[in-house]
Amino acid sequence: EAGVAQSPRYKIIEKRQSVAFWCNPISGHATLYWYQQILGQGPKLLIQFQNNGVVDDSQLPKDRFSAERLKGVDSTLKIQPAKLEDSAVYLCASSPLLQGGLRETQYFGPGTRLLVL
Amino acid sequence: LAKTTQPISMDSYEGQEVNITCSHNNIATNDYITWYQQFPSQGPRFIIQGYKTKVTNEVASLFIPADRKSSTLSLPRVSLSDTAVYYCLVGLSGYSTLTFGKGTMLLVSP
Repeated sequence: EAGVAQSPRYKIIEKRQSVAFWCNPISGHATLYWYQQILGQGPKLLIQFQNNGVVDDSQLPKDRFSAERLKGVDSTLKIQPAKLEDSAVYLCASSPLLQGGLRETQYFGPGTRLLVL
Repeated sequence: LAKTTQPISMDSYEGQEVNITCSHNNIATNDYITWYQQFPSQGPRFIIQGYKTKVTNEVASLFIPADRKSSTLSLPRVSLSDTAVYYCLVGLSGYSTLTFGKGTMLLVSP
C-alpha cells in the first residue's frame, strides 16, 4: 500500500514570498490533516479535513495560511506571505474512517521542510 | 483535551527494556491513549493504542492502570534503531483532534 505522498521535500524562500505544499493521502482515507512541526517541538495541527469539508482549522493562521482539499482526495497548503517564524516541517497525515469507538490511526507523510530567509 | 506529561529524554543501552511513562490526570471516560514514534526527518509513526489494562503488539506493550491517569509504553530489548522521539497522546475517537506534546527523546547506546 502506498503511503502518504508530499511534495516538495524541501523549500527555501525569502520572507514575504508565497509557497505551496501538496499532499496525496493514502487511497480511501477520508480524513486528512496538515501539521506544522517547529524544530524541537511536537507536531501542531493546522487543519483537519473530513472528505472535502473542514473539521477543525482553529489553529490555522488564516491571515496567511490557506488549505483546500478539492474532490476530497489530495490537498494543498499555502502560505502567503511567508514569515521567518514559518520555518518548520509541514506534515500531512491521513486516516481511515473507522466504525465503532477506536481512534483512527494517522499515517504521516515524510513532510516538507521549509526555510524562510 | 487531556494534557499529557512525559519525560523530556531517556537513555538506555541495547538489549534493555525501556519503559516510558505518560501522565494524563484529566483523561476523560471516552479517551483513548495512543503512542507515536518519530525518527529524524520522518513523520510520526503509530506504535500502539489502548483504552485500559494491557495491549501488546509486535512492537511494544502498553500498560494502563485502572484509574487510567497514566500509561506506560514498554519497548522490549531495544536496539540502536529505536532511538527516536516517542509521543503520548490522549483523545476521543471520531472527529476530535489529537494534541502532540514535546515527546520523549529516547537515546539507545551500544
